[in-house]
Amino acid sequence: SYELTQPPSLSVSPGQTARITCSGEALPKQYVYWYQQKAGQAPLVVIYKDTERPSGIPERFSGSSSGTMVTLTISGVQAEDEADYYCQSADIDGTMGVFGGGTKLAVL
Amino acid sequence: EEKLLESGGGLVKPGGSLRLSCVASGFTFRSTWMGWVRQAPGKGLEWVGRLKSEHDGGTVDYAAPVKGRFIMSRDDSKNTLYLQMDSLKTEDTATYYCATVGLVEGTEWGLDVWGQGTTVTVSS
Repeated sequence: SYELTQPPSLSVSPGQTARITCSGEALPKQYVYWYQQKAGQAPLVVIYKDTERPSGIPERFSGSSSGTMVTLTISGVQAEDEADYYCQSADIDGTMGVFGGGTKLAVL
Repeated sequence: EEKLLESGGGLVKPGGSLRLSCVASGFTFRSTWMGWVRQAPGKGLEWVGRLKSEHDGGTVDYAAPVKGRFIMSRDDSKNTLYLQMDSLKTEDTATYYCATVGLVEGTEWGLDVWGQGTTVTVSS
């Protein structure tokens, strides 16, 4: 079955830039969403359609795409950004959605 | 403001059944595709299925682990999405979220608005 691959964890210091990658063979054909999930909460969309940011999401969150990899970038990371981040897309035929395994971002 | 509120979770024995509900408000439910996503304790997010609007055919796409055991349905007169879960297994233990699907044009699998989730525990 189709998979999206993310690093399991990432640690950054406050003020640094965090880059979380997500790779999958169908990504050139399918849009990616990024979700932030804080402990005990429901996921929240931080990026949609690869690069678009919903209203209310801080400008430090951005998305980029290149071939079979997409990247969520958090510039000037803050303590409140500590969370799990999931990429999500669809298989190459668009018949089923799929999530990446998630990346736990620690702000040290 | 778009809102989703799930209910119906609880403790059930293996082989048992449970029906989850998700009540929507703040948007035009009948024209919105809907989905269920689950998250096992300490694990990642997993698709359960997606239900299109009646206007778009009302078809459902299920993830392989639940196909043949779970049924998604909707009652547009009540702004409510359902998930009927039969032949439950211990591995179905999870928090179940309902969400809108594809509100943004061109994103047929994007989950834009999420509920807070309801917890299902399958245990003897």
